[in-house]
Amino acid sequence: GESVGLHLPTLSVQEGDNSIINCAYSNSASDYFIWYKQESGKGPQFIIDIRSNMDKRQGQRVTVLLNKTVKHLSLQIAATQPGDSAVYFCAENRPGNTPLVFGKGTRLSVIA
Amino acid sequence: EPEVTQTPSHQVTQMGQEVILRCVPISNHLYFYWYRQILGQKVEFLVSFYNNEISEKSEIFDDQFSVERPDGSNFTLKIRSTKLEDSAMYFCASNQRGGGTGELFFGEGSRLTVL
Repeated sequence: GESVGLHLPTLSVQEGDNSIINCAYSNSASDYFIWYKQESGKGPQFIIDIRSNMDKRQGQRVTVLLNKTVKHLSLQIAATQPGDSAVYFCAENRPGNTPLVFGKGTRLSVIA
Repeated sequence: EPEVTQTPSHQVTQMGQEVILRCVPISNHLYFYWYRQILGQKVEFLVSFYNNEISEKSEIFDDQFSVERPDGSNFTLKIRSTKLEDSAMYFCASNQRGGGTGELFFGEGSRLTVL
């Protein structure tokens, strides 16, 4: 069935390096995407979103890239810090008033 | 900053018992959700609620589950007869304008352990 998934379940990066977390989605009709960060024992926290009419959006230290041709979403974190260690989920929203569908998550570990 | 609050943070119950998880969404939000996360797995949608009725529910949300907004602030999830497989983190979420129209705010979660 159609689903949102991730290429890598875990990612370890050196402090100060850039991180790239990837996500594949299979529903070409999805028109809104969000990246969430989940720290241990906490609820998902919004990081950044992007609509399907865009291919790039930048926030503070984070950039989301959307490639609709290959149905791929990525989250780039610049100058990764220990506080960035968490599980990152991509989520997609299908058209209409439908709930978010989450992917499986990638655990990011920052090595000091 | 306004936030979604959930109680209890952790509940341990015996199989077959009823459980009520409580949530106070952000005050000016109109759409409310419950999601579930089994340990180490992804966040799964259970149910959405708008205008005092369920707007959508997943296959997980069977007859054992119900939701209610008993007053102007609380939003509850009831599990009538808990099963071992109901053990999970349950997250309440809310937003102003429904799916696809903005950030979904999550609470810290209620951990349910069914023995």
